[in-house]
Amino acid sequence: KAGVTQTPRYLIKTRGQQVTLSCSPISGHRSVSWYQQTPGQGLQFLFEYFSETQRNKGNFPGRFSGRQFSNSRSEMNVSTLELGDSALYLCASSWDLSNTIYFGEGSWLTVV
Amino acid sequence: DQQVKQNSPSLSVQEGRISILNCDYTNSMFDYFLWYKKYPAEGPTFLISISSIKDKNEDGRFTVFLNKSAKHLSLHIVPSQPGDSAVYFCAASEGNTPLVFGKGTRLSVIA
Repeated sequence: KAGVTQTPRYLIKTRGQQVTLSCSPISGHRSVSWYQQTPGQGLQFLFEYFSETQRNKGNFPGRFSGRQFSNSRSEMNVSTLELGDSALYLCASSWDLSNTIYFGEGSWLTVV
Repeated sequence: DQQVKQNSPSLSVQEGRISILNCDYTNSMFDYFLWYKKYPAEGPTFLISISSIKDKNEDGRFTVFLNKSAKHLSLHIVPSQPGDSAVYFCAASEGNTPLVFGKGTRLSVIA
C-alpha cells in the first residue's frame, strides 16, 4: 500500500512569492492534515480536511490556506512568503478525523 | 501554552539497555496518546498508541505507559538498538481534535 506522497520534496522561494505544496493520502484515507516543523518548535498544526471541508484550523495567519479535492488529495498554499516560513511542511492522512495519522516525507521549503 | 511537553531534549543510552522517553501533558481531556519516531530528512513514523482507558500497551520492543493521575506517559524501548537513534515525538488528542505534539526528544543509542 503506497504511503502519503508529498511534492515537491525540496524548493527554494524568494520572499514575497507564493508556494503550493501537494499531498496524496494513503488510498482509502479521507482525512488530510498539515503540520509545520521548525527547529525547536516541534510540529505545529496548520489545518485538517475531511471530505473536502476544512474541519480544524491551527493558529497560523491567513497567508496559509489549503484545500482538499474529491479524490482526497490536498494542497496547501502560502502566499507572500516570509523568511520565517522556511520549514518542513508535513502532510498526514488518516481514515477518519484525527485518528492515528500517517505522515509523508515532507516538503522542505527555504525562503531566501 | 504547551499542552504536551517533552522536557528532555536529548537522551543517550547504551545498546542493549532500556531507553525511557517521557512526556507530560496538561489537558486532562486528552483521551488518545501516540508516539512517533523521526529520522532526519524523513517524515515521522507512527510507533505505538494508547487509549486513556488503558495504562499500558506493548508492541514488540516498545511499551507505552500512561499515568492519567500524573498526566504522564512514557515510552520504553527494550533492548535499545543503534537503529532506534532518532527524534521521538509524543502526541495527544481529545476526541476528534487534531493531534498536539511535543517538541521531541533526540535518542542516541551508542554501540
